[in-house]
Amino acid sequence: DTGVSQDPRHKITKRGQNVTFRCDPISEHNRLYWYRQTLGQGPEFLTYFQNEAQLEKSRLLSDRFSAERPKGSFSTLEIQRTEQGDSAMYLCASSWGTGNYGYTFGSGTRLTVV
Amino acid sequence: QKEVEQDPGPLSVPEGAIVSLNCTYSNSAFQYFMWYRQYSRKGPELLMYTYSSGNKEDGRFTAQVDKSSKYISLFIRDSQPSDSATYLCAMTPSGGYQKVTFGIGTKLQVIP
Repeated sequence: DTGVSQDPRHKITKRGQNVTFRCDPISEHNRLYWYRQTLGQGPEFLTYFQNEAQLEKSRLLSDRFSAERPKGSFSTLEIQRTEQGDSAMYLCASSWGTGNYGYTFGSGTRLTVV
Repeated sequence: QKEVEQDPGPLSVPEGAIVSLNCTYSNSAFQYFMWYRQYSRKGPELLMYTYSSGNKEDGRFTAQVDKSSKYISLFIRDSQPSDSATYLCAMTPSGGYQKVTFGIGTKLQVIP
């Protein structure tokens, strides 16, 4: 296990469809984060898990978005009734411990809503 | 006004030049400062991490933090074409709080 793995790498979906992304963090990392990045912008925080507990959600995470991390291992991010504005790169990151030593990001899932 | 301001560039420099990348911020609670490098269609990669004010050096990279001016910098010495990427500054308050606020990134091109 050498890094954060995200699946799929690319997803094209029609407007109104539901999509689900998966993130497998580095195995010993207890913290997991989801960020969204649109073209020409920096990553924006969506939500954060410590083990299986979802501790914070951004107001960017509308009711159509839901994230889970069952058993504190992998995480899923689901978007229901996708809209064209949801087109972005969805990045997962993980970190360890209570200190702040920076994240390890995955390569992201690029979502295109047509 | 955004919490973190960063010039998007693009910045083009010849190979071997010294590159200076900068960010300003408005939230005085920020204590941890990071620089990430992001290649096209890849996730960001942590380059440098500093706590509070001061300098930190790692190979060709030097990170500087001036909390009194709310200004952080990344210097790249002897720049290489492989340094061509987008550089994101990032910062977060102290303690166990983990949400990180990113700048929009500066696109750097090092020309051989």
